Amino acid sequence: NAGVTQTPKFQVLKTGQSMTLQCAQDMNHEYMSWYRQDPGMGLRLIHYSVGAGITDQGEVPNGYNVSRSTTEDFPLRLLSAAPSQTSVYFCASSYWVLGGTEAFFGQGTRLTVV
Amino acid sequence: KNEVEQSPQNLTAQEGEFITINCSYSVGISALHWLQQHPGGGIVSLFMLSSGKKKHGRLIATINIQEKHSSLHITASHPRDSAVYICAVRQNSGGSNYKLTFGKGTLLTVNP
Repeated sequence: NAGVTQTPKFQVLKTGQSMTLQCAQDMNHEYMSWYRQDPGMGLRLIHYSVGAGITDQGEVPNGYNVSRSTTEDFPLRLLSAAPSQTSVYFCASSYWVLGGTEAFFGQGTRLTVV
Repeated sequence: KNEVEQSPQNLTAQEGEFITINCSYSVGISALHWLQQHPGGGIVSLFMLSSGKKKHGRLIATINIQEKHSSLHITASHPRDSAVYICAVRQNSGGSNYKLTFGKGTLLTVNP
């Protein structure tokens, strides 16, 4: 198993550009989520999905769109990039185990918006 | 709103020292995770706890549900343990809830 794969690892965008951060998992996990990590703050939930065709907003959804057409893939789209979206983005997938959920994270995408 | 507080924010130790990182949270939870993030790297799950204590190698995690507190201990610390350690909790919502609330992390530096 490759686990959770994120691409790209690094990206520089100009203000106003759009792009898609890719996330794929090969573990057949129901739950997938996107977080952003900013200095001095904990990871914050952007969007999540509890299965194919089902998505919902997290704590900081503005400026981002998601879709979940398959169990494996959960892309994050930036519609019109802003400098405030400069951050490190993590995709994660989870499954239920006795007592809770096990979470697996991708390697992260470091995004800079200039 | 569930708050997750970690202490200390930064910790510097000498190789071989015993290290403790603390995590407190404010609402009832069903599980707590300890995660590790090396500089510029991805995030790896170390432990998932719902009660008691777990041990993996030199790492030990404990949780006290009544006191809403967890600790991560590292015995015989090594420079390769240098990383950010993150506490995350899943609230006890009574239903299927995968959402995690994260602490800000503790930056551990272990000097040789």
